[in-house]
Amino acid sequence: DAKTTQPPSMDCAEGRAANLPCNHSTISGNEYVYWYRQIHSQGPQYIIHGLKNNETNEMASLIITEDRKSSTLILPHATLRDTAVYYCIARKGGYNKLIFGAGTRLAVHP
Amino acid sequence: DGGITQSPKYLFRKEGQNVTLSCEQNLNHDAMYWYRQDPGQGLRLIYYSQIVNDFQKGDIAEGYSVSREKKESFPLTVTSAQKNPTAFYLCASIARGQGVSGNTIYFGEGSWLTVV
Repeated sequence: DAKTTQPPSMDCAEGRAANLPCNHSTISGNEYVYWYRQIHSQGPQYIIHGLKNNETNEMASLIITEDRKSSTLILPHATLRDTAVYYCIARKGGYNKLIFGAGTRLAVHP
Repeated sequence: DGGITQSPKYLFRKEGQNVTLSCEQNLNHDAMYWYRQDPGQGLRLIYYSQIVNDFQKGDIAEGYSVSREKKESFPLTVTSAQKNPTAFYLCASIARGQGVSGNTIYFGEGSWLTVV
């Protein structure tokens, strides 16, 4: 699975959009980009995933660049409850081993 | 409801003891994983299993052992050989690949292990 790189921390004002970047420059054609978040001392929560097209669900949007070397997770209207560590993972669609990076610690403030 | 159940939520271990963390899933998932998380750190892979009676070491397998005798169960034993076992342990599972749509990884709520 490709290595991903994320900024260690970000801040966002409540009600504004939070844009979390992820670099996966060595991603291969059959690897998906997944986003998870983890609130302290809980199991990670699935947010969204995609292969090459942009994706949107009730939680977030995922924008993947055309060359697939990077992506951005967008939380359109951040709330205080979105404060968490966000993990970007690149992995194949089977069930080989899953490797997590250090993630981005997002702090949403009033 | 379907999901992953980890137990116990909190466990205290004395020096030199082995302890076993339970992970059970009723999602009919083929693959299961164990991760370790230290305070303020990311998740590190201990062991994973893609099928019953088969498992592979992850990045930090030393001092741990697993078994996969049933599809729904993947217990993790923290042995006395693990020198710094105090951590948060997470179990995860995933279904067989769904081709172009990918598939979602499910996590349990975790188990806290403290050495006393």
